[in-house]
Amino acid sequence: DAMVIQNPRYQVTQFGKPVTLSCSQTLNHNVMYWYQQKSSQAPKLLFHYYDKDFNNEADTPDNFQSRRPNTSFCFLDIRSPGLGDAAMYLCATSREIVTSAYEQFFGPGTRLTVL
Amino acid sequence: GNSVTQMEGPVTLSEEAFLTINCTYTATGYPSLFWYVQYPGEGLQLLLKATKADDKGSNKGFEATYRKETTSFHLEKGSVQVSDSAVYFCALTMDTGRRALTFGSGTRLQVQP
Repeated sequence: DAMVIQNPRYQVTQFGKPVTLSCSQTLNHNVMYWYQQKSSQAPKLLFHYYDKDFNNEADTPDNFQSRRPNTSFCFLDIRSPGLGDAAMYLCATSREIVTSAYEQFFGPGTRLTVL
Repeated sequence: GNSVTQMEGPVTLSEEAFLTINCTYTATGYPSLFWYVQYPGEGLQLLLKATKADDKGSNKGFEATYRKETTSFHLEKGSVQVSDSAVYFCALTMDTGRRALTFGSGTRLQVQP
């Protein structure tokens, strides 16, 4: 089945130790998104890629970076995780930039714990 | 800016009860509106959507009507099942400008047998 896969599902890191979260998709979609979802809060968009074009949200901290080496894969790098970065990180894809016509497909998320 | 407000949960119902989860929005312009559902351990899935005023989205027995006059998109189901237990997110997007989804904070539904 075509899907969005995130690895690992659970990640534990230490304060200040760089961590990378992975997302892959078999949908061949042009757009990939990273959201941060803290407990009992709405998912918040961090950035998205339209093909190879990177689009950063204005309030995304510089501590967060992303890479998209090819259509299928997208990585979220957190350079120096702080306790406030503990959250669920959701990857999503859509065929084109989301409008009413294009659904976003979400992966199961990676829950990040910072010790 | 755009925002979505949902009723706080958890909402606890008995099987076959009627469900309403309230959602209101603030947007400049005319958004498209969505309900997403997140089952335990899974990603968000699109449940239904409506793209213009008075549209009704429906899927799996769930319905929501886009009410421009009250800026609302309340989710309803006539008879819930235990398998409907999940977190439900209301969201909007604009068809121009910044086209990302803006989510509400989610409402957890617990259905008891």
